[in-house]
Amino acid sequence: NAGVTQTPKFRILKIGQSMTLQCTQDMNHNYMYWYRQDPGMGLKLIYYSVGAGITDKGEVPNGYNVSRSTTEDFPLRLELAAPSQTSVYFCASSPGGAEDTQYFGPGTRLTVL
Amino acid sequence: GQSLEQPSEVTAVEGAIVQINCTYQTSGFYGLSWYQQHDGGAPTFLSYNGLDGLEETGRFSSFLSRSDSYGYLLLQELQMKDSASYFCAPLRTDKLIFGTGTRLQVFP
Repeated sequence: NAGVTQTPKFRILKIGQSMTLQCTQDMNHNYMYWYRQDPGMGLKLIYYSVGAGITDKGEVPNGYNVSRSTTEDFPLRLELAAPSQTSVYFCASSPGGAEDTQYFGPGTRLTVL
Repeated sequence: GQSLEQPSEVTAVEGAIVQINCTYQTSGFYGLSWYQQHDGGAPTFLSYNGLDGLEETGRFSSFLSRSDSYGYLLLQELQMKDSASYFCAPLRTDKLIFGTGTRLQVFP
């Protein structure tokens, strides 16, 4: 039981490039979340999903897209990367919604130059 | 409006007790979660208060007063490994709102 896994761990992008951050959970959780965390700050919700085929925007969705075709996977797509997207990205899953325990992946550290 | 306040930093010595306060203003409030995050690591869940009162989990306790829009995390018998950032996260509708957190430093 690996929990929540994220790939890659680190990535450097050039301005204007695109990439997909992968997130997979093996706990059969319905709820999945993408957060970003800037240095010394809290987490900001980007997108979330309450089940396969259902996604919704969080606080800071601009510049990102998501899809949820399976229960296990919740990839985050960055189109036209900008320096403001330099951050650490965490994926999380939960069995019963935001009030329930959220299990976080190890994070992806992204730098856009 | 929406606001969330926690002290930015707290220091204590091993074996001591420390309380981290959290005041919030948010519409659609359902409850208050607490998360711990060590430097370079991912957040881990500590507790959730959906009702007023005290929840105890080992050395950690969390309290909520909905009428005062206030909660706290109490850490007892502090250990060096408790040095970390602690986030209170009000649950608003179906989303957690994270603030900038409280950095706890435990000294020997």
